[in-house]
Amino acid sequence: EVQLVESGGGLVQPGGSLRLSCEVSGFTFSSYWMNWVRQAPGKGLEWVANIKDDGGERYYVDSLKGRFTISRDNAKNSLYLQMNSLRVEDTAVYYCARDLAEAVTDYWGQGTLVTVSS
Amino acid sequence: DIQMTQSPSSLSASIGDRVTITCRVSEGINNYLAWFQQKPGKAPKSLIYAISSLHTGVPSRFSGSGSGSDFTLTISSLQPEDFATYYCQQYHRYPLTFGGGTKVEIK
Repeated sequence: EVQLVESGGGLVQPGGSLRLSCEVSGFTFSSYWMNWVRQAPGKGLEWVANIKDDGGERYYVDSLKGRFTISRDNAKNSLYLQMNSLRVEDTAVYYCARDLAEAVTDYWGQGTLVTVSS
Repeated sequence: DIQMTQSPSSLSASIGDRVTITCRVSEGINNYLAWFQQKPGKAPKSLIYAISSLHTGVPSRFSGSGSGSDFTLTISSLQPEDFATYYCQQYHRYPLTFGGGTKVEIK
C-alpha cells in the first residue's frame, strides 16, 4: 500500500524557518517524481515544487523561488521542503504527493499544517 | 503562467443527477489536464489525468473530455460520496496550476 506521511509542521514566527518531511512506503521511492502542494485555509490548491526521481531536476512556483527548497534522500525514502523567511501568507496545509509520471500526480499524503504567526 | 478557470464555482445537485464541471485554460496545454477531488478536511484524491484517463480505483461514473481550451469532468450519476470540491490542473508547463475549484453540494 502506497503511503506518504508528512511531518514537521507547526507554529513559526514570521521570518522563521521550518523543514517539512514526507516519509514514504509501499513503493520504490527512487523511481518517482515527487511534489509539494499547499492549501491556505479556506482556499484552493497551489502547487509549490517538484523534484525528479534522482533529484537532478527541480521546479518551483515563481513566487517561492529563493525561499523554499525541495530535496530528497532516496536512501531514507524521504522528501523534504526547507522553508525560509516564512511569511503569514505561507500559512497552509502542505501536502506531499507522488507522480505517476512527471507532473502526473497520483497519490497524496494527509498533509501537515504550517502556521506563520507572531 | 497558464490560467485555469473553472465553472461553476459551486453547484447543487441530487443523488442520481448527471453533473458537469468545466475548466477553461488560457492557452494550449497539449492534453495535459488532470482532475482531483477533495472532501472537507481531507487530502485531495487524484481522479483523472491526460484529459480522460482514470486513475486506478476511480469509479467509471467519472469521465473527462475536452480539447483545446475547454475541458469537462462529468459524473454520470451522482452518489452520496461524490459531494466534494473538484479541481482541474494543467501539467503542460511549469508552474503547474490549478483551477479555483467547484464545490458540489447536496440539493
